[in-house]
Amino acid sequence: KNQVEQSPQSLIILEGKNCTLQCNYTVSPFSNLRWYKQDTGRGPVSLTIMTFSENTKSNGRYTATLDADTKQSSLHITASQLSDSASYICVVSQYNAGNNRKLIWGLGTSLAVNP
Amino acid sequence: ETGVTQTPRHLVMGMTNKKSLKCEQHLGHNAMYWYKQSAKKPLELMFVYSLEERVENNSVPSRFSPECPNSSHLFLHLHTLQPEDSALYLCASSQDWGRRSNYGYTFGSGTRLTVV
Repeated sequence: KNQVEQSPQSLIILEGKNCTLQCNYTVSPFSNLRWYKQDTGRGPVSLTIMTFSENTKSNGRYTATLDADTKQSSLHITASQLSDSASYICVVSQYNAGNNRKLIWGLGTSLAVNP
Repeated sequence: ETGVTQTPRHLVMGMTNKKSLKCEQHLGHNAMYWYKQSAKKPLELMFVYSLEERVENNSVPSRFSPECPNSSHLFLHLHTLQPEDSALYLCASSQDWGRRSNYGYTFGSGTRLTVV
């Protein structure tokens, strides 16, 4: 069954600290993996996209990693800020037969950064 | 705003009402989507429009009726909804749609719908 599982479900950290969010998937055939940030009351915003051949990609204080062999990805946030408080959603794109692709969404990790 | 505008932001409606959600994108994208986001569930794709043609309809009840009059506008018409339809309804757009497309989605801020 094609699934995307994220951990932890929720996380509380102090401002300035680092944290790592995990995403494990069983989606096949794999096309790409994206991390989205969703602020409360807003739609998700793309942070980064990882394709099969990419291991690491950074976007400011956000660094995503991908291990296609173990089907795991992580999102590392460095020097957290209050504005990082949000839900972080992992989504994996699956190639489908025919002219479309299917997105398998995770439930997200809810991150709270406290002062 | 992100380039995708949704109205209204909040909507409370009775089960016998008829209402419409509106989405407008200013990005020149060719594909538009409706998603439903419920608590403790992953995003659920409802409808996909590519070049104004509906290309996906994921077993959505007929009380939800989409309309795409042009490539910039997308509507979701609602009638005789149930309380379990209460959720955040997100509109998104992407440059293209299809198997070889790696384009990301630009989401609107959503409409928080409550059915009473």
